[in-house]
Amino acid sequence: DTGVSQNPRHKITKRGQNVTFRCDPISEHNRLYWYRQTLGQGPEFLTYFQNEAQLEKSRLLSDRFSAERPKGSFSTLEIQRTEQGDSAMYLCASGQGHYEQYFGPGTRLTVT
Amino acid sequence: SQQGEEDPQALSIQEGENATMNCSYKTSINNLQWYRQNSGRGLVHLILIRSNEREKHSGRLRVTLDTSKKSSSLLITASRAADTASYFCATDGQPGGTSYGKLTFGQGTILTVHP
Repeated sequence: DTGVSQNPRHKITKRGQNVTFRCDPISEHNRLYWYRQTLGQGPEFLTYFQNEAQLEKSRLLSDRFSAERPKGSFSTLEIQRTEQGDSAMYLCASGQGHYEQYFGPGTRLTVT
Repeated sequence: SQQGEEDPQALSIQEGENATMNCSYKTSINNLQWYRQNSGRGLVHLILIRSNEREKHSGRLRVTLDTSKKSSSLLITASRAADTASYFCATDGQPGGTSYGKLTFGQGTILTVHP
């Protein structure tokens, strides 16, 4: 069993650039979640998918953020025109139904 | 917004002692979960307790839930240095509510266990 994987693990980018992160969930899980975590805080929900359908987006997810899950497998999270305030750890999790979620190691984004 | 509030924010104990962390939340829940996070890493699921359960055990972990007080506690018995981590409670809201289907986390308790 390979757990949830995320790539890249670290990303440093300059303000104004676009970045894309990838998440590969546990294969049998139908739900996939994205969270953002800043230093000293708990994770904050961004969006989630059931299979390929994006069911909910947080108000935190501005129009510069977009997420996809084609074919209900892996997911990508893209941030356009990055800002320094986007610097955070981006966590992906997968699960089956409304139960425990299994988290990946996260992608740490630094916007300079 | 943060639903759960953990207490204390930081806890420092000696190996072998018990550690108790508390979590309070604001709205009705479907279930409450506890997670552990080692520094700079992803979260590891520890235990899930449903809204109709009052207590649950898993190894050295004991979780209680009081829905009338909207609070939960996590007890780690006979702590080890390897238990050093941040611990978060997270709630999944009731069906039909705005928090259903996603986890709302507290700010966490930083636990340090000294060898």
